[in-house]
Amino acid sequence: GDSVTQMEGPVTLSEEAFLTINCTYTATGYPSLFWYVQYPGEGLQLLLKATKADDKGSNKGFEATYRKETTSFHLEKGSVQVSDSAVYFCASGRAGFQKLVFGTGTRLLVSP
Amino acid sequence: GAVVSQHPSRVICKSGTSVKIECRSLDFQATTMFWYRQFPKQSLMLMATSNEGSKATYEQGVEKDKFLINHASLTLSTLTVTSAHPEDSSFYICSAPPGSPQETQYFGPGTRLLVL
Repeated sequence: GDSVTQMEGPVTLSEEAFLTINCTYTATGYPSLFWYVQYPGEGLQLLLKATKADDKGSNKGFEATYRKETTSFHLEKGSVQVSDSAVYFCASGRAGFQKLVFGTGTRLLVSP
Repeated sequence: GAVVSQHPSRVICKSGTSVKIECRSLDFQATTMFWYRQFPKQSLMLMATSNEGSKATYEQGVEKDKFLINHASLTLSTLTVTSAHPEDSSFYICSAPPGSPQETQYFGPGTRLLVL
């Protein structure tokens, strides 16, 4: 079945540093891909998504490009802020985004 | 935006007792809700799909009699962990798609269950 692999954390960065969180997927066909973020004490929130190859999802300065050739959907941000500290989940989905397969989550810690 | 709540946020119970977890969509109706389980440092694993007015659909390997799901209304789904044991200790998360099948799901904040 489908699976998602993302880098282990925690990722510790200083404010204004460049962020990359790697995510790769295995699937038959071409699923939709997502990044979710979970702030402390809150539910998962959709950060960005891409529904087909070469699509770029972006939101709040974060970006990720659906790369079919490398089966990847790496999350990037040019300059992180303390408020970006959270756990980030990569996920794939099919059938109208109903069923999601998640990666293990990567905790990001940003210090001032 | 759409909000999904869960209650309780954390619960500690004795082995052998049953625990009920509620999932509510606060400002939209959800004919479908999803229940996930998350172990420490592991992925969210889909346990079951809760369907309003009909039986839940369980994923392979999930015990139906162990994890009872009731979708009583368009805004409420409950997960009951029956005869809980320490191995059931986990983080349980629900989600609901708010409308169009093309929209993403909205997630509750999760319930931490500890079985002693």
